[in-house]
Amino acid sequence: DAGITQSPRHKVTETGTPVTLRCHQTENHRYMYWYRQDPGHGLRLIHYSYGVKDTDKGEVSDGYSVSRSKTEDFLLTLESATSSQTSVYFCAISEWAGSGNTIYFGEGSWLTVV
Amino acid sequence: DQQVKQNSPSLSVQEGRISILNCDYTNSMFDYFLWYKKYPAEGPTFLISISSIKDKNEDGRFTVFLNKSAKHLSLHIVPSQPGDSAVYFCAASASGGGSEKLVFGKGTKLTVNP
Repeated sequence: DAGITQSPRHKVTETGTPVTLRCHQTENHRYMYWYRQDPGHGLRLIHYSYGVKDTDKGEVSDGYSVSRSKTEDFLLTLESATSSQTSVYFCAISEWAGSGNTIYFGEGSWLTVV
Repeated sequence: DQQVKQNSPSLSVQEGRISILNCDYTNSMFDYFLWYKKYPAEGPTFLISISSIKDKNEDGRFTVFLNKSAKHLSLHIVPSQPGDSAVYFCAASASGGGSEKLVFGKGTKLTVNP
């Protein structure tokens, strides 16, 4: 258990509305990530953070923004949701494992944009 | 450009037999490799990892083999059990980049038949 809590776990929203997903961690990890998982695409990195107010884009960042005002919270915002953003979103943290960093995932947030 | 490839979308094996899941990568800078298991409606869970300084790492029924010259790694599960039925993701990272990002393959769905 990496101490990650995602909320909401399930959400249905309408096209064009803003949506914010929250990731909360309890173990003071420096790195936090947002991935999305889609059939045929595996897990793709949206954004990541390497510290408070320090964030960077991943491979599928268009249409998403993030914020990290506290170490424990990493927010993912869809400014204007589209049907292509229907997906499962996973927050993750990383821990040094001696030879490399291992990423641990939260339980996921299922988002449906109708 | 897919840097981590899992060319078999699915694999079916009999209980008690060996399961071999394969993964290829193209980026020679990758030096840390991981396998994750994912059940439906759950987050991916870390299974086993290997550093590029090794060619084998074993943890119980799970063994990962790394062939650097071929840029290929494989996960062996022996003996396979019905509870191993899940989607398996291969992932890779390059140390020293500062971002500790993982690049994932698209996954292989393993079915272990009783």
